[in-house]
Amino acid sequence: KAGVTQTPRYLIKTRGQQVTLSCSPISGHRSVSWYQQTPGQGLQFLFEYFSETQRNKGNFPGRFSGRQFSNSRSEMNVSTLELGDSALYLCASSGTPTSDTGELFFGEGSRLTVL
Amino acid sequence: GQNIDQPTEMTATEGAIVQINCTYQTSGFNGLFWYQQHAGEAPTFLSYNVLDGLEEKGRFSSFLSRSKGYSYLLLKELQMKDSASYLCAVSAYSGAGSYQLTFGKGTKLSVIP
Repeated sequence: KAGVTQTPRYLIKTRGQQVTLSCSPISGHRSVSWYQQTPGQGLQFLFEYFSETQRNKGNFPGRFSGRQFSNSRSEMNVSTLELGDSALYLCASSGTPTSDTGELFFGEGSRLTVL
Repeated sequence: GQNIDQPTEMTATEGAIVQINCTYQTSGFNGLFWYQQHAGEAPTFLSYNVLDGLEEKGRFSSFLSRSKGYSYLLLKELQMKDSASYLCAVSAYSGAGSYQLTFGKGTKLSVIP
């Protein structure tokens, strides 16, 4: 079956702009989590959605937001981009909320560069 | 909050055995996971421990001691393709009936001939 699909794979923005990233989970998966990965900080949790409801949110400013649609596809938005937002944004889906086995299936990521 | 520590880098020889340690401090522990991430690729699930002891899966084994807040990933018969980053991740209760998975910064393993 198809894996987790993230679009776009690469994008370049300038400071102050906003960006929207999209994630399509594995068919049948209802949980979608978003992570920011940088060389210095590793994988940092942004938020998790399950059945269109945000279940958890990490310690990121309000400029980072997300949502999940009825078909389980998810989007995240970053407004007023800063240089420090340059990172790989990874989406992961799971068949159950992470309270169970927690096995996450990751997409290839969206690499954002802010100039 | 949670604190997860693992070595930044390790080097090992092809065919050898390597142990990657992970220590954590958390409340509401719900399980510990190991993921493998090759450079430029997405992380992939390796193992899950929720009870104390050793879980073996082929060349890879993972150990957990909840009382010590300690886990290790053991890789046997190392192959060049095992060169990757290994991420330790802890699931813990985050309130309101939900759990959150927090990752360590990862250990970059280099396998040399």
